[in-house]
Amino acid sequence: AQKITQTQPGMFVQEKEAVTLDCTYDTSDPSYGLFWYKQPSSGEMIFLIYQGSYDQQNATEGRYSLNFQKARKSANLVISASQLGDSAMYFCAMREGYAGGTSYGKLTFGQGTILTVHP
Amino acid sequence: DAGVTQSPTHLIKTRGQQVTLRCSPISGHKSVSWYQQVLGQGPQFIFQYYEKEERGRGNFPDRFSARQFPNYSSELNVNALLLGDSALYLCASSLVWDSGANVLTFGAGSRLTVL
Repeated sequence: AQKITQTQPGMFVQEKEAVTLDCTYDTSDPSYGLFWYKQPSSGEMIFLIYQGSYDQQNATEGRYSLNFQKARKSANLVISASQLGDSAMYFCAMREGYAGGTSYGKLTFGQGTILTVHP
Repeated sequence: DAGVTQSPTHLIKTRGQQVTLRCSPISGHKSVSWYQQVLGQGPQFIFQYYEKEERGRGNFPDRFSARQFPNYSSELNVNALLLGDSALYLCASSLVWDSGANVLTFGAGSRLTVL
């Protein structure tokens, strides 16, 4: 079973508008973390935002916010005021708790969503 | 400060050959993880090392091995290369290894093509 599902292979947005990238996850571990990374064509994965499973409030980092709906097991990324430089591949990833015997180095990634920002 | 550096950036090998990829973590980071990213997919976890000890291993064959040196740099070795090993190999470093909120900082990767 897919642990991280990103159902949008590609998304388009007009510059200065907001866009939501979807992510659903599957885990039975009560302790987990959710991450979003951006990968430009250069290949480097750039960390954007983190949400812990016990965090009461949605995480925000500048123009990025994470819409965390625990009961629905979703962790959607919202980018406000899109910029041309936001055009890239975006990955949602999950780290499960150590109680599951999983290395904390292990992030499980989704398939990614290609975001294109139009001028 | 320098980020995570990887070398070589690109390389071409033929089937059956062996390859060594290198990674230098951010200064002060003691944990290094390796990921394989096949074209069109998300990265997949290969190994994590901390203080020169293996702390985690993904679902990869024994042809894949790695080690971490006293200066925390790391090497990933792949023996008996197959066409399916063609991928972007990403190295990530972090301060610690055992924190759930631990953020991995990735390098730009080594792109391996196997012919």
